Amino acid sequence: QVQLVQSGAEVKKPGASVKVSCKASGYTFTSYYMHWVRQAPGQGLEWMGIINPSGGSTSYAQKFQGRVTMTRDTSTSAVYMELSSLRSEDTAVYYCASPKRASGYSLDYWGQGTLVTVSS
Amino acid sequence: QSVLTQPPSVSGAPGQRVTVSCTGSSSNIGAAYDVQWYQQLPGTVPKLLIYGNSNRPSGVPDRFSGSKSGTSASLAITGLQAEDEADYYCQSYDSSLSAVVFGGGTKLTVL
Repeated sequence: QVQLVQSGAEVKKPGASVKVSCKASGYTFTSYYMHWVRQAPGQGLEWMGIINPSGGSTSYAQKFQGRVTMTRDTSTSAVYMELSSLRSEDTAVYYCASPKRASGYSLDYWGQGTLVTVSS
Repeated sequence: QSVLTQPPSVSGAPGQRVTVSCTGSSSNIGAAYDVQWYQQLPGTVPKLLIYGNSNRPSGVPDRFSGSKSGTSASLAITGLQAEDEADYYCQSYDSSLSAVVFGGGTKLTVL
């Protein structure tokens, strides 16, 4: 079965960077795009961007342009999301999510989430 | 301010029918991009409830249904149960933003 397993919780100081990993299994890693979505405490879902694991191309939400970098490692079927210049407002649970279909934007599978806390 | 607008809360008694609306614009729902719905139970990961406007993934009860018309979409839940108490989010794609967009979420309370 499809599984997305993310790295553990992180605590960072303002201005630092954080890199969250998401390891996929149970399907052909390069067949489906991977999305990153975050959720601040008590808030809604916010889309951050998408990476094509096949070629590595990315597309980021305008809000995160210049601060986020998504990469992938096909040898380990993992994708990474690095967010820099962290501020307190970046405290959130970060999810990777992937579709089940080659077309469309449905997010069928979700990682367990990684809590990133930004605090001095 | 979310690109897709949802009511902050809805409520209903067990057994009743409730609907959650999701209003977009001509650059997302109105541009024929599909709408998805997610259910997030307290303290859990979001779960896909409806995809492609009205399709249910395997395992989702047929009490949940989705529809779309013009620049809006709706999620209907019939035979309301206590376990349906959760946050519900709509999602689509916006061509002006070149981004996936979510609604702000609707908290369903089962009275």
